[in-house]
Amino acid sequence: SYELTQPPSVSVSPGQTARITCFGDALPKQYAYWYQQKPGQAPVLVIYKDSERPSGIPERFSGSSSGTTVTLTISGVQAEDEADYYCQSADSSGSCWVFGGGTKLTVL
Amino acid sequence: QVHLQESGPGPVKPSETLSLTCSLSGAPVFNDSLSSDYWSWIRQPAGKGLEWVGRIDTSGNTNYNPALKGRVSMSVDSSHNQLSLNLNSVTAADTALYYCARESFWSGYSHGFDYWGQGILVTVSS
Repeated sequence: SYELTQPPSVSVSPGQTARITCFGDALPKQYAYWYQQKPGQAPVLVIYKDSERPSGIPERFSGSSSGTTVTLTISGVQAEDEADYYCQSADSSGSCWVFGGGTKLTVL
Repeated sequence: QVHLQESGPGPVKPSETLSLTCSLSGAPVFNDSLSSDYWSWIRQPAGKGLEWVGRIDTSGNTNYNPALKGRVSMSVDSSHNQLSLNLNSVTAADTALYYCARESFWSGYSHGFDYWGQGILVTVSS
C-alpha cells in the first residue's frame, strides 16, 4: 500500500523557521495537503494543492513541492504553532487518500 | 458556516457492525453549485495518526480505503442532510476517534478537508 513518510519530530526555537517534509513516490503527480492538529482538537487544513493557503491561515505557513518531497514551512514560529502536522495526498490511482504518519512540532 | 456532528450508538462488540451518522448543517449534502462537495470519514486511534476510511461524492459514488478490505460502506440521506458509515466485522483495531469531514472540489481539484466534525470515540470491546 502507498505510504507518505514524515519525520516523527521537529524542534525549533520561537522566531525560527520550521520545515516539515513529506516523501511519497506519487507526489510528483498528486497534490499534497497539510493539516495542523492540536491536542483534543480536530485537524485544521493549513495548505492545499501543495502551496495554497486557505483563508484565515497565517502567512507564515507556506508549502512547496519538489519531486517526491513536499515541504511545509512555518516562518517565524510562534508558541501556538506547537502541534502535530500531517501531510495528505493520493496514491497513483488518485482514488485513495493517504495520510503521512505525522510530525510533532515542538517549540523550544 | 458548515457544521458537522458525528453520532453513534456507543461501544461495539467484536465481529459486530459499527454504525455512525454525521449530521450536517449550514450546507446541503448534495451541492449543485459550481463546486462539488465530497464527504469522507477519517479515523484516528488514540495517540496515533490519521487514517482515511472512505468518501462519498454528490452522485453517491464511493471510494473506500482498500486496507479495510471491503468491510466499509457509506451512504447519504439527503432528506435529513446526513451521512452514514457502516464498518462490519470489527476488531479491537477499529477502536478510534472517527471524524466526518467535507472536501471541496473546484475545477476538478481537491481543496482538502476544510470542515471537520469534532469526532466520536468508538470502542470495540467484548
